[in-house]
Amino acid sequence: GAGVSQSPRYKVAKRGQDVALRCDPISGHVSLFWYQQALGQGPEFLTYFQNEAQLDKSGLPSDRFFAERPEGSVSTLKIQRTQQEDSAVYLCASSGGGRLFFGSGTQLSVL
Amino acid sequence: AQSVTQPDIHITVSEGASLELRCNYSYGATPYLFWYVQSPGQGLQLLLKYFSGDTLVQGIKGFEAEFKRSQSSFNLRKPSVHWSDAAEYFCAVGEVNTNAGKSTFGDGTTLTVKP
Repeated sequence: GAGVSQSPRYKVAKRGQDVALRCDPISGHVSLFWYQQALGQGPEFLTYFQNEAQLDKSGLPSDRFFAERPEGSVSTLKIQRTQQEDSAVYLCASSGGGRLFFGSGTQLSVL
Repeated sequence: AQSVTQPDIHITVSEGASLELRCNYSYGATPYLFWYVQSPGQGLQLLLKYFSGDTLVQGIKGFEAEFKRSQSSFNLRKPSVHWSDAAEYFCAVGEVNTNAGKSTFGDGTTLTVKP
């Protein structure tokens, strides 16, 4: 597609449930980034891939968060045993030409 | 570690008036600087970026920003605001070794435009 695509657009999870969020980057973009945006705040970096290699995961809040990009294109962010503080918008971006292209995000609500 | 401060949480301007949104950053080297706009329920759209060279940068939708190293600032300006400019604006500093993809964002400024 022409832009970065994320699915689902909205996800409601019960506390303790596992969730998986998908990101389709712009075709040909080598680098892919995940950000977390809490309500009323700016996005915060979670993790970064170059092709299939996860080069930086310093922003992942806990070991319940896991990201993968096995074939260097589509990426999945997985959150295990979700907790209320995980409620946020999760943004994916791919980069090209020295800039980021963001998807519309997945809004996760943990009840 | 780098940081970004946007001192104004909320700004209200009248349509047709000029606009300046403030951004101060902390970064150990020459920064890559960005301004993004976010409308409700949308991802972030890049308005403009500064990597090097001319310190006055022109962007889309009539926006410009000026990099002032001595003040560690990168303020966003627009001479005449339109009602469609109402949105959330984020300033960000990007890490050079990730081609600016790993960025630190400010907490944003919400712009309201009065008719």
